[in-house]
Amino acid sequence: AQSVSQHNHHVILSEAASLELGCNYSYGGTVNLFWYVQYPGQHLQLLLKYFSGDPLVKGIKGFEAEFIKSKFSFNLRKPSVQWSDTAEYFCAVNEGNNNDMRFGAGTRLTVKP
Amino acid sequence: GAGVSQTPSNKVTEKGKYVELRCDPISGHTALYWYRQSLGQGPEFLIYFQGTGAADDSGLPNDRFFAVRPEGSVSTLKIQRTERGDSAVYLCASSLAGLSTDTQYFGPGTRLTVL
Repeated sequence: AQSVSQHNHHVILSEAASLELGCNYSYGGTVNLFWYVQYPGQHLQLLLKYFSGDPLVKGIKGFEAEFIKSKFSFNLRKPSVQWSDTAEYFCAVNEGNNNDMRFGAGTRLTVKP
Repeated sequence: GAGVSQTPSNKVTEKGKYVELRCDPISGHTALYWYRQSLGQGPEFLIYFQGTGAADDSGLPNDRFFAVRPEGSVSTLKIQRTERGDSAVYLCASSLAGLSTDTQYFGPGTRLTVL
C-alpha cells in the first residue's frame, strides 16, 4: 500500500543542536513532497515543498529538505534549532496530478532552552 | 488576511446522532479539501472539491459520510449515525487552483467527540 513513513515519533534536542527528521514514501512515480509544521495551538502551515528542479529545497525559518529519489526520501533539516521550533512536523506526499495528499504520522520536536 | 475558518471548534454528540461541520475557505480558492486526524496520526484525506463538484471522494470511509459545496465556496461535511470511532479532529484546507503542486492552507479544525 502507498504510504508515508516518519521514523521518529518524538525528538528532543537542546537549542543550537542540528536537526534531521526522516521521511520516506512508497510511491513509484512522480511525486510532490511537502513538510508541514503545527506549532502548539496553531494551524498546520507549510514549511517547504518540492515538485521539480533542484532537489535541495529551502523553506521558511531556516529549514531545508533534500529529495533523494533513489532512496524515496525527503528528510527535513535545520543546522541550529531554536526553542521556538518546538512543534509537530508532518511530511506529506501526493502522486503526480492527484490531489489526495498522504501524510506521515508526524514527529514531535521538543527543543529545550 | 482571513484564513480558512471552521465551525464549530468543538462538537460533542451522542452515538447515532447526525452532525454537520462547516468550512469557510480562503476567498477565491477554487479547491477545498477535508481531512480527518485521529490522535497520534497525521491527517487522512477524505474528499476534494474543485468548485462545486467533488473531484475525488475516495477517502470517505463509508456512506455515512457526505460533503457538499453547493456554491463553490463554503463546504459542509455531514456525518450520519455517528459512531465512537468517528471521534477525531476534522480539518479543512483550501488551495488557489487545485493543482497538486499548490500549497494547501489549513483551518483550525473541528474536534468531534462521539460519546
